[in-house]
Amino acid sequence: QQQVKQSPQSLIVQKGGISIINCAYENTAFDYFPWYQQFPGKGPALLIAIRPDVSEKKEGRFTISFNKSAKQFSLHIMDSQPGDSATYFCAERSWVTGGGNKLTFGTGTQLKVEL
Amino acid sequence: GAGVSQSPSNKVTEKGKDVELRCDPISGHTALYWYRQSLGQGLEFLIYFQGNSAPDKSGLPSDRFSAERTGGSVSTLTIQRTQQEDSAVYLCASSLGGGSEAFFGQGTRLTVV
Repeated sequence: QQQVKQSPQSLIVQKGGISIINCAYENTAFDYFPWYQQFPGKGPALLIAIRPDVSEKKEGRFTISFNKSAKQFSLHIMDSQPGDSATYFCAERSWVTGGGNKLTFGTGTQLKVEL
Repeated sequence: GAGVSQSPSNKVTEKGKDVELRCDPISGHTALYWYRQSLGQGLEFLIYFQGNSAPDKSGLPSDRFSAERTGGSVSTLTIQRTQQEDSAVYLCASSLGGGSEAFFGQGTRLTVV
C-alpha cells in the first residue's frame, strides 16, 4: 500500500526551465522527507531533504517546499539542465524496530530536460 | 571501494532455483538495508540490519526470502525457489547509524525465467 502519492509520472522541461514534482503523504509520523535522484543502472542518491518544522529548503538549484497542513511537499529544479534528466523519488522516513529507519518511496517521476 | 558494492550486477535464474545476492556496505557503517525496486511496486523496504542483527524484517514478502549479515559487514539476501514475480532490482543501502543518511549501491537486477 503506497502511502506517498507522487506526480507527475513523467515530465519534459526545456533547458533553463523550472521542473516541479509533487508529493502527498498520509502518515504524520514521518519526520524526514528526502528526495532521491536515480540515473539508469545506478542506485538512488540523496539529493536534498527537509524536516517538517521547516517550510522551505534550498540547495543550489534545488528547492523543497513543504506544506505541513496540506501534507504535501514538492521539489523545484530551477534552471533545469540536460544533466538533470533522471528519475526522481520523494520519500518519507519512519522509524523501525531496533532504532533504524525505513524509507517509503513515491512512485517516481521521469524527468527529461530538452535542449 | 568508497561506496556500497553489490554483486552480481545482473542475475538470470530459472524459476524454482535459489539465488544469493551480496552486499558490501561502506566500511564502518553499522546499519544496512535491503530494498526492492520493481515496475509494479516501486521501491519497497525489505529488511534492516543493525550490526549482525535484523530487528526489522517486516518487508520480506514471503518466507522464501531471508537475509543474513556477518561480521557487521557483508550481507547476503537469499531467495529460495524463485518465482517470476521476484524479478526486480534488489538494492542495498548502508548508513553510519540507524538515523543517518543511507547510501545505496547500484543494485542487482534479478530476472527469473
